Amino acid sequence: DTGVSQDPRHKITKRGQNVTFRCDPISEHNRLYWYRQTLGQGPEFLTYFQNEAQLEKSRLLSNRFSAERPKGSFSTLEIQRTEQGDSAMYLCASSPTGGSSPLHFGNGTRLTVT
Amino acid sequence: GEDVEQSLFLSVREGDSSVINCTYTDSSSTYLYWYKQEPGAGLQLLTYIFSNMDMKQDQRLTVLLNKKDKHLSLRIADTQTGDSAIYFCADMNTNAGKSTFGDGTTLTVKP
Repeated sequence: DTGVSQDPRHKITKRGQNVTFRCDPISEHNRLYWYRQTLGQGPEFLTYFQNEAQLEKSRLLSNRFSAERPKGSFSTLEIQRTEQGDSAMYLCASSPTGGSSPLHFGNGTRLTVT
Repeated sequence: GEDVEQSLFLSVREGDSSVINCTYTDSSSTYLYWYKQEPGAGLQLLTYIFSNMDMKQDQRLTVLLNKKDKHLSLRIADTQTGDSAIYFCADMNTNAGKSTFGDGTTLTVKP
């Protein structure tokens, strides 16, 4: 079990640029989640996948955000035309289906939009 | 929508017990979790409880669940300076397939 891996750890970008983050879940986990965390707050749900199917998308996720998990393994989260309000920690988590299903989190990608 | 609430700060002396409280609103929550977050890191699962249980003990950690009041607590016995971190309460609605998190309780342990 190598854990959930996210890349990059930090990203600084100028407003208006596009960014893409990658998440590699624990290999036997078929659920993958994206959350966003800002300072002083808990993680906010963005979207999740069961295998390659995107099952739910938060209304927080504007049409500038898109997530994919094409082969049911790794996932990417893209933000187009970034805004300063997008600055946050983007957390990926994975879990097995069924049972207690706790989320196993990666260390996150910290995005700073200047 | 679903909501999870926690008090924001707790300060204790080393060796004392810490009690962190949480309330939630989703009556369909199947599991309730406690996570720990240290600076610059993701969230680490500490423990969890199934919604039909009222207590779970795991070494220094005791989780109490009052399902009627939708109240969850985490007790840390013999708190150490290494326990200083942010603690998040979360629920899991297995029908919705996702967890809702509180805003975290910052625990400070003074020597």
